[in-house]
Amino acid sequence: GAGVSQSPRYKVAKRGQDVALRCDPISGHVSLFWYQQALGQGPEFLTYFQNEAQLDKSGLPSDRFFAERPEGSVSTLKIQRTQQEDSAVYLCASSLALRGGYEQYFGPGTRLTVT
Amino acid sequence: SQQGEEDPQALSIQEGENATMNCSYKTSINNLQWYRQNSGRGLVHLILIRSNEREKHSGRLRVTLDTSKKSSSLLITASRAADTASYFCATDASGRDDKIIFGKGTRLHILP
Repeated sequence: GAGVSQSPRYKVAKRGQDVALRCDPISGHVSLFWYQQALGQGPEFLTYFQNEAQLDKSGLPSDRFFAERPEGSVSTLKIQRTQQEDSAVYLCASSLALRGGYEQYFGPGTRLTVT
Repeated sequence: SQQGEEDPQALSIQEGENATMNCSYKTSINNLQWYRQNSGRGLVHLILIRSNEREKHSGRLRVTLDTSKKSSSLLITASRAADTASYFCATDASGRDDKIIFGKGTRLHILP
């Protein structure tokens, strides 16, 4: 595909369930980012990968959040024991550059609702 | 934490008018980007301006950057209904090339 894809697009989870959100970046893009966007707010940085290396995970809200990108392409964001405050849209973005200062291409997001 | 803050939070204008949105940030930056998000859609990159640039154009978009005031503005000329969206500025932190931080956005509504 030409763009960043994410799956599932919508996910409803019962409180306490584990969820896994997938991101397929643009082929060849080195950098991959995860963001959390609450309703009416801007995206909040969660974590960043350069190839398979997770260089920054300072934005992950708790140790229930875990992200990986084992082969430097597809990435998965896992949330364990989901809580209601985890309800949000989770955005993935990829960038061609090793460094910042280049545009990020965003996927459509996964809307997570925890009931 | 948010580095950038857009102003106004919401803006409604008539189709054909110009729309101006502002962004203020706190720490020095390497570059600043503007993104657009339509209702229910993903974020789309509009323009990037580097700290050594003062003005940049792209079609109907004009972005200015004043590093002394730590502020940027986005001007959309001859607005169209399709410009209705939320607009976000995103800044990096000088010395941190790998991370950008978004503001809360300006919600722009173009009236027919």
